[in-house]
Amino acid sequence: DGGITQSPKYLFRKEGQNVTLSCEQNLNHDAMYWYRQDPGQGLRLIYYSQIVNDFQKGDIAEGYSVSREKKESFPLTVTSAQKNPTAFYLCASSEGTGPFGYTFGSGTRLTVV
Amino acid sequence: AQSVTQPDIHITVSEGASLELRCNYSYGATPYLFWYVQSPGQGLQLLLKYFSGDTLVQGIKGFEAEFKRSQSSFNLRKPSVHWSDAAEYFCAVGGTGRRALTFGSGTRLQVQP
Repeated sequence: DGGITQSPKYLFRKEGQNVTLSCEQNLNHDAMYWYRQDPGQGLRLIYYSQIVNDFQKGDIAEGYSVSREKKESFPLTVTSAQKNPTAFYLCASSEGTGPFGYTFGSGTRLTVV
Repeated sequence: AQSVTQPDIHITVSEGASLELRCNYSYGATPYLFWYVQSPGQGLQLLLKYFSGDTLVQGIKGFEAEFKRSQSSFNLRKPSVHWSDAAEYFCAVGGTGRRALTFGSGTRLQVQP
């Protein structure tokens, strides 16, 4: 079945470490997105990519980085510059921007220890 | 700038009662509107979407929503709530631009037996 796979489901990071969250889709979707979810704040956009080798910053890109070397993959790196990284991270994909709904992965919960 | 407001953070209804979740949006042109549902610790699932045409749209699980341009609203309704509907609900707005979807802060629905 087609879908989006996020891994790992749970991730623990020490202070000062960079960590990478994986997001893979087999839906042949062009666009991919990363959102951060905190209680009471809904989903906030970190980065998005509409085609391979191209991506744009969202509303809260500081302290994060991404790459889009393959259509299927859109990994997110949480760098040590992100001062409050503990959150639930959601990856999504869509056929493109515009009148297309998103398909979401099941999320990665990142905790700083 | 596009934005979404969900005025109700938490709603409790009795099983079998009707439900209406409110969503107000801000968007400079004709919007694309979505409702998603999220179970705890999971990703989001698309309930329904509005692009154009009939302003009353039907979705999965017996949900419907009505687009009211004059009120900038896209409220979600269900005639009779089931205990399995307990979850968090998110409204989202997008459009023909290249921007990703903007989500509201969510409404948590609790269903009493």
